[in-house]
Amino acid sequence: DAKTTQPNSMESNEEEPVHLPCNHSTISGTDYIHWYRQLPSQGPEYVIHGLTSNVNNRMASLAIAEDRKSSTLILHRATLRDAAVYYCILRDQGSSGGYQKVTFGTGTKLQVIP
Amino acid sequence: GAGVSQSPRYKVAKRGQDVALRCDPISGHVSLFWYQQALGQGPEFLTYFQNEAQLDKSGLPSDRFFAERPEGSVSTLKIQRTQQEDSAVYLCASSFFTGEGYGYTFGSGTRLTVV
Repeated sequence: DAKTTQPNSMESNEEEPVHLPCNHSTISGTDYIHWYRQLPSQGPEYVIHGLTSNVNNRMASLAIAEDRKSSTLILHRATLRDAAVYYCILRDQGSSGGYQKVTFGTGTKLQVIP
Repeated sequence: GAGVSQSPRYKVAKRGQDVALRCDPISGHVSLFWYQQALGQGPEFLTYFQNEAQLDKSGLPSDRFFAERPEGSVSTLKIQRTQQEDSAVYLCASSFFTGEGYGYTFGSGTRLTVV
């Protein structure tokens, strides 16, 4: 499985933007970049995904480097409810049968300071 | 229902006891996954179902772990002769399919404590 590397923890002040980095230097051409977050005592929640182009949705933005070896999840205005563990994962859509086992790392624990 | 439902929410088992954990996926979701999450760690893959077929069970840690999804909807993860190292949160996730456009929807998990 292609691996991702994320900082263990980050801090942000409330109402300020947060940039959560992810390195995936061994990404293959068919790997999509997905982000999930896990609030305390909850299961992971899908945030956003992309392949090559930057993506925006109501929750966040995803900026993907031109060489695709890194990406950044952007929360435009952090709130206390955004305090969670954020996981960057790769999903290969080129595998047989369209199925791939998703591997989560340890993620980045985001602390939001009031 | 609107989301993935798991029960029980919490389970305390004595060492050696058998347990069964239930997952109700979102109606119509073809794909179903089980994950195990130890404290402070990310979720670890256990097994995958496509409808009723168990296509990947490579993550099951031992033959004490068994999962089934007989009618392609509700799934049960069974752990026989529980050990202390089985203590973890067990997460279930479902997806309409496994295509890139489909994110997984996770349940809140079952926290298993083996004493």
